[in-house]
Amino acid sequence: QSALTQPASVSGSPGQSITISCTGTSSDIGSYNLVSWYQQNPGKAPKLMIYEDSQRPSGVSNRFSGSKSGNTASLTISGLQAEDEADYYCCSYAGSNSVVFGGGTKLTVL
Amino acid sequence: QLQLQESGPGLVKPSETLSLTCTVSGGSISDNSYYWAWIRQPPGKGLEWIGNSYYSGNTYYNPSLKSRVAISVDTSKNQFSLNLRSVTAADTAVYYCARHGFYWYFDLWGRGTLVTVSS
Repeated sequence: QSALTQPASVSGSPGQSITISCTGTSSDIGSYNLVSWYQQNPGKAPKLMIYEDSQRPSGVSNRFSGSKSGNTASLTISGLQAEDEADYYCCSYAGSNSVVFGGGTKLTVL
Repeated sequence: QLQLQESGPGLVKPSETLSLTCTVSGGSISDNSYYWAWIRQPPGKGLEWIGNSYYSGNTYYNPSLKSRVAISVDTSKNQFSLNLRSVTAADTAVYYCARHGFYWYFDLWGRGTLVTVSS
């Protein structure tokens, strides 16, 4: 059970769109529609942003969207805002009643 | 509004057992729609799922920690607990308790508690 692969960092200017990738295997991301994404600000607990690959919880801005193709999931943030600067983590069900997280991506808003 | 709160020692000696408790308030831990989980984050690093428990006592653990971990639920106190044996400095982390449903996304988190392993 290896961690999912995310880029260490991404950046974008206000108003732009960015995409964070999350690569797994056919045993996790590729087998289940159970990818979730979390936003974490410094010193805070993670916050659920996307679940079941592409569903958005109530209260989360529609600027956040999730998608998946094969063994890779993606989180896209459109209309980037300064408040979006944070760490983002993907997570996938990995079978046998277990989950695996990605290593995290630091988003910088320039 | 349901909330989770971690509690326990902030300092544990190497080779000893790390013990934390998560108190569920504003709702029932016996809600059969949810599992209760522990997740940790070493300083400056990513998240790692430790394991979870259903209110009935069914437990599931990260294979990499399974030999040292035990999670239990106390429905009378509306709490669940984590015991991690034989700790080393590598177990130093912020420990979060969290909730997830049958679709394995964590929709509710505690604030986290830092546990340092040091003599």
